[in-house]
Amino acid sequence: RKEVEQDPGPFNVPEGATVAFNCTYSNSASQSFFWYRQDCRKEPKLLMSVYSSGNEDGRFTAQLNRASQYISLLIRDSKLSDSATYLCVVNGVTGANNLFFGTGTRLTVIP
Amino acid sequence: DTAVSQTPKYLVTQMGNDKSIKCEQNLGHDTMYWYKQDSKKFLKIMFSYNNKELIINETVPNRFSPKSPDKAHLNLHINSLELGDSAVYFCASSRIATGNTGELFFGEGSRLTVL
Repeated sequence: RKEVEQDPGPFNVPEGATVAFNCTYSNSASQSFFWYRQDCRKEPKLLMSVYSSGNEDGRFTAQLNRASQYISLLIRDSKLSDSATYLCVVNGVTGANNLFFGTGTRLTVIP
Repeated sequence: DTAVSQTPKYLVTQMGNDKSIKCEQNLGHDTMYWYKQDSKKFLKIMFSYNNKELIINETVPNRFSPKSPDKAHLNLHINSLELGDSAVYFCASSRIATGNTGELFFGEGSRLTVL
């Protein structure tokens, strides 16, 4: 079983829509969770960390459910510039900042 | 100024050749990494160095040899290239090795094509 699993999409949504991505992770001992964003043919960049109580950054809301080993990302009022691949990232417990990346969920926001 | 820079950005070579990719970071970070992203976009860690010392070495063929001459540089040398080595190789750095900072700063990637 992969450490991190995501629905690859693609998700095609109109501008202004709300879209949610989900991710599950296999290691119940994982402690740190993140969403990264990767534009086409570019490097991944940190979008936001995911905290136990849930957290919000502008139009983006991240949630963590430890019992179900599930992470989500909600994007409200989608913009064209949100089109990208969103990577769910979970730390491993083998040590030393060993982060496991999901294969990503591709989002295309349509005018 | 580019924070994490890697060269070359594109590399096309024949099977059996040996090639190197170089990486430098000017962020003052202690930890550097090599990740491989295959055609299915799966990003997987290969190596991690903390202050020139190897701390993560995932299951990678020994044809791949990282070298860290100092904490700002981490190079990747690949011997006897195979078709399956074709991928984008990303260098990354982070502030500390432990504590799970989560923020990795990636280079722009080196796209390797083996013919």
